[in-house]
Amino acid sequence: LAKTTQPISMDSYEGQEVNITCSHNNIATNDYITWYQQFPSQGPRFIIQGYKTKVTNEVASLFIPADRKSSTLSLPRVSLSDTAVYYCLVGPSASKIIFGSGTRLSIRP
Amino acid sequence: GAGVSQSPSNKVTEKGKDVELRCDPISGHTALYWYRQRLGQGLEFLIYFQGNSAPDKSGLPSDRFSAERTGESVSTLTIQRTQQEDSAVYLCASSLIRDTDSYEQYFGPGTRLTVT
Repeated sequence: LAKTTQPISMDSYEGQEVNITCSHNNIATNDYITWYQQFPSQGPRFIIQGYKTKVTNEVASLFIPADRKSSTLSLPRVSLSDTAVYYCLVGPSASKIIFGSGTRLSIRP
Repeated sequence: GAGVSQSPSNKVTEKGKDVELRCDPISGHTALYWYRQRLGQGLEFLIYFQGNSAPDKSGLPSDRFSAERTGESVSTLTIQRTQQEDSAVYLCASSLIRDTDSYEQYFGPGTRLTVT
């Protein structure tokens, strides 16, 4: 199972673009890359998922280089409500999933 | 439609007692997951069900922990002879496994277990 490494914490300001990078050097061929967001006292919430290149939805973009050994979650124009813990996961669709400790993102006015 | 629900939302129990936590997944979701999250920490995988079978129980921390799923629906996580280190939020998630091998887990609100 591929392990992930991401920064423990990040700080930014409202209106800025935030990029959180995750390393997953031993990602397997059938692994997808998925990002979740968790607010205090709530369960994680799916943000975005990708396999390669770039994926964009209404919330975020996910950039995956050709070697797939890392990925970057991009949050455009963050607001205070984006303050949360962000988890990067890699794995196939149905199996044990390792969440890791996540990145604690703090947004300031 | 309804999301994943868990009960109880909070449970306070005395050390040594048994507890049962319940998860109702989204209807039609074939996969169900249990996680444990200690205060200020990430999620710790416990067990995964595909249908009523649990192909991966490797995350269960000890033989005091067990889980079952019936009717490809409700799942219960049982902790016997609870210890103080079992205090945590227990999260359940379900997902619909699609042919494309992509998935999204939908999480419940969790059960906060406190062992005194």
